[in-house]
Amino acid sequence: GAVVSQHPSRVICKSGTSVKIECRSLDFQATTMFWYRQFPKKSLMLMATSNEGSKATYEQGVEKDKFLINHASLTLSTLTVTSAHPEDSSFYICSARDWQGGNQPQHFGDGTRLSIL
Amino acid sequence: SQQGEEDPQALSIQEGENATMNCSYKTSINNLQWYRQNSGRGLVHLILIRSNEREKHSGRLRVTLDTSKKSSSLLITASRAADTASYFCATDELTGANSKLTFGKGITLSVRP
Repeated sequence: GAVVSQHPSRVICKSGTSVKIECRSLDFQATTMFWYRQFPKKSLMLMATSNEGSKATYEQGVEKDKFLINHASLTLSTLTVTSAHPEDSSFYICSARDWQGGNQPQHFGDGTRLSIL
Repeated sequence: SQQGEEDPQALSIQEGENATMNCSYKTSINNLQWYRQNSGRGLVHLILIRSNEREKHSGRLRVTLDTSKKSSSLLITASRAADTASYFCATDELTGANSKLTFGKGITLSVRP
């Protein structure tokens, strides 16, 4: 089946650091990738939709200057949490879809646990 | 915003029993999907049912969809301890390039060996 690789799996860093998370589709071309945030024992909250070669579409309430998304190729999207603070600590998950049509599942990475000290 | 609401929030059963999880939603949908999440991991797609379908099977999984009641159910038959995980329903409301999923809060399933 389709595989999505997310890296790193865990980051622990000091407040003020910028952190980059990579999401790669390994065996298919992902025209669209999604970035989610999940709090403990909670559901997934969609942060933004990333389309290859264009600007990401952010959900309401998500700061685009805080969470920079780049989708430069059909197999790679990155999320950079800029100047991270303790309130940014969370579990971030990416997913990818292998074509633009509907009725297709999303394929998820294994998530990145971000801890800001 | 939250679309799907799963029920119950937590379910504990004995190995071998069947597990039934329900999901209700509020708007018209293109399809409904069920995902599984093991603790600290990403989500794994289980099954997708389109709005014009009423029932679908995949191995020990059976999903139903009632668009008139805006509800879906996921049945896991002959449960195993390895089925212990969180299960999420997700609705896909739009078609084409704008398609995106809205997840419910999830159901925590514990299967006792």
